[in-house]
Amino acid sequence: QKEVEQNSGPLSVPEGAIASLNCTYSDRGSQSFFWYRQYSGKSPELIMFIYSNGDKEDGRFTAQLNKASQYVSLLIRDSQPSDSATYLCAADNYGQNFVFGPGTRLSVLP
Amino acid sequence: KAGVTQTPRYLIKTRGQQVTLSCSPISGHRSVSWYQQTPGQGLQFLFEYFSETQRNKGNFPGRFSGRQFSNSRSEMNVSTLELGDSALYLCASSPGTGAEAFFGQGTRLTVV
Repeated sequence: QKEVEQNSGPLSVPEGAIASLNCTYSDRGSQSFFWYRQYSGKSPELIMFIYSNGDKEDGRFTAQLNKASQYVSLLIRDSQPSDSATYLCAADNYGQNFVFGPGTRLSVLP
Repeated sequence: KAGVTQTPRYLIKTRGQQVTLSCSPISGHRSVSWYQQTPGQGLQFLFEYFSETQRNKGNFPGRFSGRQFSNSRSEMNVSTLELGDSALYLCASSPGTGAEAFFGQGTRLTVV
């Protein structure tokens, strides 16, 4: 049973701080990893994806992947109240579907 | 470029009925996946289609079925609805193997 685990939160950070979201996955065969943001009552929105070990930056977001530790993280710099949402981590399943974690609720306090 | 379109957005059905949901992927995308999202179970994979072929199926009973047409549009069908089928059903469109997927707005199904 392939699994993706996340701390369900809520994770509360003050406005302007760095939010750090973590994810671990069970299947060493997973090659691609994705972070989605989901606002309450809305569908998931793709933020970033990462395939290679190391860091990948896109604006205020940085994804980090460590395949040896089976660990993926998402850093959000200069957090804003509008970043308050549930963040879903997903690992690909041999390119045919994603296995999603339960999501981490992030609350950015003004 | 148009996004993923799911219809209908909301649906109320009675136990025992059947329902068909539709998904039109992003133009050029050949992979369509379906997921069920509930507060208790999170996002659960239903099935994935690529070029009209079902490549993968999740752990759902046979009451859940789907298909994909030659224009990549996909439908999923749930027969003999149960109260527990109430959920947000999401369709995701992807250009291909291992690539990023984009979700539609979902169909919220309520079974009463």
